[in-house]
Amino acid sequence: KQEVTQIPAALSVPEGENLVLNCSFTDSAIYNLQWFRQDPGKGLTSLLLIQSSQREQTSGRLNASLDKSSGRSTLYIAASQPGDSATYLCAVGGYGGSQGNLIFGKGTKLSVKP
Amino acid sequence: KAGVTQTPRYLIKTRGQQVTLSCSPISGHRSVSWYQQTPGQGLQFLFEYFSETQRNKGNFPGRFSGRQFSNSRSEMNVSTLELGDSALYLCASSLAAGGEETQYFGPGTRLLVL
Repeated sequence: KQEVTQIPAALSVPEGENLVLNCSFTDSAIYNLQWFRQDPGKGLTSLLLIQSSQREQTSGRLNASLDKSSGRSTLYIAASQPGDSATYLCAVGGYGGSQGNLIFGKGTKLSVKP
Repeated sequence: KAGVTQTPRYLIKTRGQQVTLSCSPISGHRSVSWYQQTPGQGLQFLFEYFSETQRNKGNFPGRFSGRQFSNSRSEMNVSTLELGDSALYLCASSLAAGGEETQYFGPGTRLLVL
């Protein structure tokens, strides 16, 4: 059974700092990995999708990497801003069955202080 | 292009009642997945529909059911509501089934069971 873990559960940083969020998964047989952002009480916004054959994806100040062999992904946020405050979720995709197509970690709650 | 829409956004019910939630996917998307999000359990997969057929089902009791219509709109129904069913219910749509494509989430329906 696939399990996804995100560390740390919460993170508080001053504005302007570069930061890294971590995601690990137990079964390396994934199809892809997706990072999402969730604002309080809202739905999920897709940030980046990394296919299993890729090593990283970039979008603006965000860079996500994937190391399937070690079961790890990182989300790098450059020059953090207060607007980046949200919960960040990673999910591995392509499993199917009773676990569903996306298996989520519990998220990292990020707070960026002005 | 309009995003995923969910109705209603908020709902208050009492124990024993039933509820129906609706999800309209992005135009052209044929896969719709449903998730339950609670503070304790995080995001848990309910079921996935593709071309009106249920492809996968999560580990939820039979009180949770769903369906998909020919226009890809989906509904989920919860019968005999329990207090523990209070949660944010999210649906996600994608072009293909199986978690191989980016999944786009709606804003969710927040259900409170009293």
